[in-house]
Amino acid sequence: DIQMTQSPSSLSASVGDSVTITCRASQSINRALNWYQQKPGQAPRLLIYGASSLRSGVPSRFSGTGSATDFPLTISSLQPEDFATYYCQQTYSIPFTFGPGTKVDIK
Amino acid sequence: EVQLVESGGDLVPPGGSLRLSCVASGFTFSSYWMNWVRQAPGKGLEWVANIKKEGSEKNYVDSVKGRFTISRDNAKNSLYLQMNSLRGEDTAVYYCARGGSKLYYGSGNYYYGMDVWGQGTTVTVSS
Repeated sequence: DIQMTQSPSSLSASVGDSVTITCRASQSINRALNWYQQKPGQAPRLLIYGASSLRSGVPSRFSGTGSATDFPLTISSLQPEDFATYYCQQTYSIPFTFGPGTKVDIK
Repeated sequence: EVQLVESGGDLVPPGGSLRLSCVASGFTFSSYWMNWVRQAPGKGLEWVANIKKEGSEKNYVDSVKGRFTISRDNAKNSLYLQMNSLRGEDTAVYYCARGGSKLYYGSGNYYYGMDVWGQGTTVTVSS
């Protein structure tokens, strides 16, 4: 199975800050990497698919890059609604696996 | 409106069975891979199973193989998860999710992101 790790596991930031979360796969997954946002009590929401494609309706302050094993997600100019937990996921091979999550909270 | 609505979650004793359902609306259900994803209390997300558009291919995470069965009825726009021999570690919120955002890599093949999710249904396995 492909293991996904995320760093950091949590971070504190202020509104207007730019933050980067990194996801790493235990082997190459090409660009089969997705990013999700989840708020307490809510279902996950897809932000980025295919490593860098912004899902329709997602603000352009979210951006994803990378290929093979290393995938950064950047949120430029954090907004109050961005404080949440972020998960990466690989859909390169079965079983699909998620990273452990990165919690972004308010400093 | 594109929507997925799960149902069937309940409190069941260890060793029991449960069938979850997910009804789709607002899109052509038969055109998409569908998935089940679960989240144990206070924990992260775990992919459980998926099923191909016409139901010809099914995949599972190892921890549920032989106990859970994913199925679909495209005529009813419905996805199911039959859960047998339930264990305490199966306690979770179960989400159905559409495999809709596609990254093509040739010959009609694609990777996908899960772009539509239901609200979840809670399964609690306890005596």
